[in-house]
Amino acid sequence: GEDVEQSLFLSVREGDSSVINCTYTDSSSTYLYWYKQEPGAGLQLLTYIFSNMDMKQDQRLTVLLNKKDKHLSLRIADTQTGDSAIYFCAESINNAGNMLTFGGGTRLMVKP
Amino acid sequence: KAGVTQTPRYLIKTRGQQVTLSCSPISGHRSVSWYQQTPGQGLQFLFEYFSETQRNKGNFPGRFSGRQFSNSRSEMNVSTLELGDSALYLCASSLGLAAWETQYFGPGTRLLVL
Repeated sequence: GEDVEQSLFLSVREGDSSVINCTYTDSSSTYLYWYKQEPGAGLQLLTYIFSNMDMKQDQRLTVLLNKKDKHLSLRIADTQTGDSAIYFCAESINNAGNMLTFGGGTRLMVKP
Repeated sequence: KAGVTQTPRYLIKTRGQQVTLSCSPISGHRSVSWYQQTPGQGLQFLFEYFSETQRNKGNFPGRFSGRQFSNSRSEMNVSTLELGDSALYLCASSLGLAAWETQYFGPGTRLLVL
């Protein structure tokens, strides 16, 4: 079955790196996504990685995928106070259209 | 290009009433998906439409329904509202149905059922 799990909370100091972790159980996941949600807002797509890749870098964001352990991480370099938000990982399954299964979200707090 | 728009943004209803929420996708997008977000259950998939046809449905009771129009705009309806239906309802659009199609989310409609 599908299950995506994340830790609930992460606190870092401004300028440090943040690493948000996610585990998933469905081995037929094709794409894995990271979304950001700020208070009162919808979801903003940050980045995604195809399941046959193990790393993707996009400016301050680095996604690492360990397919063997079904572990996904998002590293934010030089974290800023504007990065404070809830981060969701999500998976899509081949042949399941656009249906996404989301983790519970990790609340990132960045202290000045 | 305008983003995904959802109306209304906020809604208060009472138990037993019914509600209709609207979603206008990004121009050119033909797929619309709906999600329910609650503090207890998180983000859960409701249904997905493409070319006016429901392609996927999540594990929700029949009180939750939807449709898509020929211009790709979508509505979802919840009948006989329950307190537990209070949630943020998010709509997402994408060009098509493939797993690699990026989904863009709207700001959501916050529904409060009293």
